Amino acid sequence: EIVLTQSPGTLSLSPGERGTLSCRASQNIRTYLAWYQQKPGQAPRLLIYEASKRATGVPARFIGSGSGTDFTLTISSLEPEDFAVYYCQQRDSWMTFGGGTKVEVK
Amino acid sequence: QVQLVQSGAEVKKPGASVKISCKTSGYTFTNFYVHWVRQAPGQGPEWMGVINPDGGATNYAQKFRGRVALTRDTSTTTVYMDLSNLRSEDWATYYCAREDIHTGMVLFYWGQGTLVSVSS
Repeated sequence: EIVLTQSPGTLSLSPGERGTLSCRASQNIRTYLAWYQQKPGQAPRLLIYEASKRATGVPARFIGSGSGTDFTLTISSLEPEDFAVYYCQQRDSWMTFGGGTKVEVK
Repeated sequence: QVQLVQSGAEVKKPGASVKISCKTSGYTFTNFYVHWVRQAPGQGPEWMGVINPDGGATNYAQKFRGRVALTRDTSTTTVYMDLSNLRSEDWATYYCAREDIHTGMVLFYWGQGTLVSVSS
């Protein structure tokens, strides 16, 4: 099973700041990585697929990058609605998710 | 618009089974795979399996093989997830989700979730 390790566990930032979230895969997953946002009491929301493609309706401030084993989700300027938990997910070998990064208000 | 509407919360005893429904609408049912993902309190999501509504073929995560069964009813465009021999570790919110139009194994549309509580 491919293991995804996300860091940091918690990111404390202020609105308007830039957020950088990391996801590392236990083996090469090419660009088969997606990112989701989840708010309390809600289902996850797809943000990015194929490492860098924004899903329908996702604002341009969400930027995905990386390939192989190292991936990054950058939120260029945090809006109040962006404070949430973010998960990465691989589809190179079935499907697994990372443990999440919580982006909280500093 | 695409919708996935799940059945309500369940309370079960250890050893029991639970069957959750996922009623889909707003798209051609047989054109998109439907996945089941669960999420224990405070944990990341965990993939359980997938069903192809066109024919009913399934694939399950190794962890759940032998305990989970996904089925579908094309007449009602509903997918079902049956989990047997419940234990306390199965206490979680269970989601059905439909694949994104652009690529497989990526989930764009989600149900609202069904909480399954397991306690003696």
